[in-house]
Amino acid sequence: GENVEQHPSTLSVQEGDSAVIKCTYSDSASNYFPWYKQELGKRPQLIIDIRSNVGEKKDQRIAVTLNKTAKHFSLHITETQPEDSAVYFCAASQQGGYNKLIFGAGTRLAVHP
Amino acid sequence: NAGVTQTPKFRVLKTGQSMTLLCAQDMNHEYMYWYRQDPGMGLRLIHYSVGEGTTAKGEVPDGYNVSRLKKQNFLLGLESAAPSQTSVYFCASKGGTDTQYFGPGTRLTVL
Repeated sequence: GENVEQHPSTLSVQEGDSAVIKCTYSDSASNYFPWYKQELGKRPQLIIDIRSNVGEKKDQRIAVTLNKTAKHFSLHITETQPEDSAVYFCAASQQGGYNKLIFGAGTRLAVHP
Repeated sequence: NAGVTQTPKFRVLKTGQSMTLLCAQDMNHEYMYWYRQDPGMGLRLIHYSVGEGTTAKGEVPDGYNVSRLKKQNFLLGLESAAPSQTSVYFCASKGGTDTQYFGPGTRLTVL
């Protein structure tokens, strides 16, 4: 079955710096890769996703890149702000149908003013 | 439009007790999921449902049962709770897109 590894487990940056979180997956059939943000005590919320037919997707300060050959994908946050502080989870699945997501272990991002 | 809701928010059980967690969604979604979240382990899929009357096992189904008698509700049952089931439980639902929408979670402690 699918296995998703996520690094680093914790990340500390200064406000305004960039943050990068990396994930690798094992199942070459996976073709849908969402990223969720979870603030303390809150529910996970989708912030961006990418499908295997594209290599990069951007949404304002957030971007995700995908390398299908190497089976890894990354989340990039530019110009970080204190409100970006949260736990970020990557996941992988086959899109469509029941879409069973396999999650990485999470990255705790701290943005210091 | 409340989205995905979960009942209760918190619960403390003694070992061997039983309980049912309720998930409800008002988005007319076909797919519903139960996850557990433990420190350092991300979210792991317990059971899921692809429609009313259907259920299937996820990654960590042992010790749990589920039912989907109505399209809008997905119940997670613990027949005989164990301390290893202490966790935060999240329900999610999905419609015609790939996006899963999560409920607010239930924090369960088993003593």
